[in-house]
Amino acid sequence: QKEVEQNSGPLSVPEGAIASLNCTYSDRVSQSFFWYRQYSGKSPELIMSIYSNGDKEDGRFTAQLNKASQYVSLLIRDSQPSDSATYLCAVNAGSDMRFGAGTRLTVKP
Amino acid sequence: DARVTQTPRHKVTEMGQEVTMRCQPILGHNTVFWYRQTMMQGLELLAYFRNRAPLDDSGMPKDRFSAEMPDATLATLKIQPSEPRDSAVYFCASGLIPDGRSGANVLTFGAGSRLTVL
Repeated sequence: QKEVEQNSGPLSVPEGAIASLNCTYSDRVSQSFFWYRQYSGKSPELIMSIYSNGDKEDGRFTAQLNKASQYVSLLIRDSQPSDSATYLCAVNAGSDMRFGAGTRLTVKP
Repeated sequence: DARVTQTPRHKVTEMGQEVTMRCQPILGHNTVFWYRQTMMQGLELLAYFRNRAPLDDSGMPKDRFSAEMPDATLATLKIQPSEPRDSAVYFCASGLIPDGRSGANVLTFGAGSRLTVL
């Protein structure tokens, strides 16, 4: 079993819709959780971090964390074509940082 | 803007040749990671250093890969001999973890080194 799992997609949503991205992790001592966005041919860039159970909102992005279920999600409201990218979930336990394989999102105009 | 610098950006080589990739982390960051990204496997953790000391290299094929951090401004990843299956994009990333605590490990990635082994 992979340590960080994501639904690989691709996920396609119309412009203006809500995109929902999910991630589960296997290491119960994980403490910090991140969402990175990666455009094709580019390097990953951080868009959200979350450390406590519950929701964290930043503009059109909301990260949700449930440590009991070992589940973290990212909601993108009012999706835009510029949001089309691969979204990587990352989990930090101790000093390391492990990534899921990513979910490719396409937002259609 | 502070950035992580990786060289070379692109490398094409023949099977059996030695490949060395270099990374200059952000000044002041104490943790450096090497990742490999392929379509099939996604972003795999190869090795990482904290305060220049190797913490974990269990993700690397030990017989051909080696990672070092000779000083605070340089991390290297070497493949010898290279094989076609090593073709991938190799990313270096750096971050700052307060000593004695984990968490809050926000990483900044370099642009990556795209390796093609023929």
